[in-house]
Amino acid sequence: DAGVIQSPRHEVTEMGQEVTLRCKPISGHDYLFWYRQTMMRGLELLIYFNNNVPIDDSGMPEDRFSAKMPNASFSTLKIQPSEPRDSAVYFCASSPQGPRYGYTFGSGTRLTVV
Amino acid sequence: GDSVTQMEGPVTLSEEAFLTINCTYTATGYPSLFWYVQYPGEGLQLLLKATKADDKGSNKGFEATYRKETTSFHLEKGSVQVSDSAVYFCALSENSGNTPLVFGKGTRLSVIA
Repeated sequence: DAGVIQSPRHEVTEMGQEVTLRCKPISGHDYLFWYRQTMMRGLELLIYFNNNVPIDDSGMPEDRFSAKMPNASFSTLKIQPSEPRDSAVYFCASSPQGPRYGYTFGSGTRLTVV
Repeated sequence: GDSVTQMEGPVTLSEEAFLTINCTYTATGYPSLFWYVQYPGEGLQLLLKATKADDKGSNKGFEATYRKETTSFHLEKGSVQVSDSAVYFCALSENSGNTPLVFGKGTRLSVIA
């Protein structure tokens, strides 16, 4: 089991550019979560999916953020256009059957927008 | 709504000291409770969990007991090591549905030799 795989590990981009973060959940896990972590705001839930369907995207900060899960083994989080305040570590996590069983987190993508 | 409150850090201890990180929760029903640990530059890892009152979760020398009467899930370790330096997050999952985990703000622990 390779765990939850995120790419890239680090991303530096210029303000206004499009950024795409990628996540491969653990095979067989029905739930996928995207989080953002900053020093100021801590860990924030952005969106989560159940069986590839978005369930709650109320944490997505603005229309500049979008997330998709085209199949059970892949999800993307896109920011277009990016802004310096989007700089953060973005984590993907997956869960078998539901949050009450706990999550497995990926190693995160550190995004820096300059 | 459901919430988790952790003691604010940072907590600095000498090696082999006793550790307690307090966690209390507010929830309807009977939540499952978790402790996650985040080492520098890494994602959160599940440390231990408990699913019902009086359950004790344990792992790597850490323990926490689900106390329904005090709505608490304090993390303890008898003798910390430098390698335990990390940020610790308390979290809950309400059992009536499959809503996402509610996390505390995290407590940074630094252990010095």
